[in-house]
Amino acid sequence: AQKITQTQPGMFVQEKEAVTLDCTYDTSDPSYGLFWYKQPSSGEMIFLIYQGSYDQQNATEGRYSLNFQKARKSANLVISASQLGDSAMYFCAMREGLEAAGNKLTFGGGTRVLVKP
Amino acid sequence: NAGVTQTPKFRILKIGQSMTLQCAQDMNHNYMYWYRQDPGMGLKLIYYSVGAGITDKGEVPNGYNVSRSTTEDFPLRLELAAPSQTSVYFCASRRPSDSSYEQYFGPGTRLTVT
Repeated sequence: AQKITQTQPGMFVQEKEAVTLDCTYDTSDPSYGLFWYKQPSSGEMIFLIYQGSYDQQNATEGRYSLNFQKARKSANLVISASQLGDSAMYFCAMREGLEAAGNKLTFGGGTRVLVKP
Repeated sequence: NAGVTQTPKFRILKIGQSMTLQCAQDMNHNYMYWYRQDPGMGLKLIYYSVGAGITDKGEVPNGYNVSRSTTEDFPLRLELAAPSQTSVYFCASRRPSDSSYEQYFGPGTRLTVT
């Protein structure tokens, strides 16, 4: 079974509008965390936001927020007020287990976002 | 700080050749990782290390080897290159005590095997 599923291969969003990127995950480990990374066309991986499984509040970082619904095993990324520079691939990823296990990441297949002016 | 550096940026190999992808970080991070990204896909973990002298396999280790003799360096060795190893390779590192669990990625090495 896929550990991280991103069901939207691509989407368009109008500049200045909000967009929600879906991510569902599968784990039986009580200690885990969800990440979102951005990959622009230049190829580098840019960390956006992190949510731990024990965190009570949804994580926010500027225009990015993570809608964490633990019971539904979903960790959707919301980008508010989209900008042209937000056009990129977005990857959801998960770490599982304790720190000593290395905190390896499992990535989803990604969602390509194109912001229209 | 230079962060995580990778060399080379691009490389074309012939089938059966070998090469080493270099990765170095100057942030004194104990944890280091190698991922590969096939076209249009997410990243997959090849090998990782939790400290000098300690390495372990990830999801897709076949055809690769690693070593970790220092905290700073984590080279990835490809033996007998195959077309299936055509990919972009990313090295990453993180500090175990970092509560954000963020992994810092290098710029990647684009490898083509023909």
